Amino acid sequence: AQKITQTQPGMFVQEKEAVTLDCTYDTSDPSYGLFWYKQPSSGEMIFLIYQGSYDQQNATEGRYSLNFQKARKSANLVISASQLGDSAMYFCAMRTGGYQKVTFGTGTKLQVIP
Amino acid sequence: EAGVTQFPSHSVIEKGQTVTLRCDPISGHDNLYWYRRVMGKEIKFLLHFVKESKQDESGMPNNRFLAERTGGTYSTLKVQPAELEDSGVYFCASSHLAGDGYTFGSGTRLTVV
Repeated sequence: AQKITQTQPGMFVQEKEAVTLDCTYDTSDPSYGLFWYKQPSSGEMIFLIYQGSYDQQNATEGRYSLNFQKARKSANLVISASQLGDSAMYFCAMRTGGYQKVTFGTGTKLQVIP
Repeated sequence: EAGVTQFPSHSVIEKGQTVTLRCDPISGHDNLYWYRRVMGKEIKFLLHFVKESKQDESGMPNNRFLAERTGGTYSTLKVQPAELEDSGVYFCASSHLAGDGYTFGSGTRLTVV
């Protein structure tokens, strides 16, 4: 079975500082993909970043980077230079092998403080 | 291009009533997914359509839930009769190819009282 664990229900970060949101995963499938989504208060789910299990380098998208540690089964999201607009729920998710359904974590609520 | 559209954005109904949620995927996206987030819990998969066919409906909680995608375009999710534990946010997502990342809609917040 696939499982995503996000152990931080809520976090605060000072504006302009970097923050790391933790995510660990569990799967026996050697082929998988890891995603991070942002859900602002408006409700929509916004795709942020993707990491494939066979990717050699950590994924980066602008201020977002994914710290992928395969042996530890962790896929932490790093947001650099936090902005007030980064305040939102953040979900880590995984899709394995040929399965199209995605398993989500419980989310981390990030609040950026001015 | 227009994104994934869900309607209504909010719905409040009484226990025992029927509610129908609608999702319009991005035009040309054959893959359509329904997910649900019950308050404080993780987002859970409900089902996956490929065009008009149900590819995987293993996440549907019980037979009070009925999803359709007639003609392979928009999809509806009907809850009949609704129970208190059905309250949550129902998300729809679509993708062009099965291996693509999803584009999510804004969700429908369902409250059963």
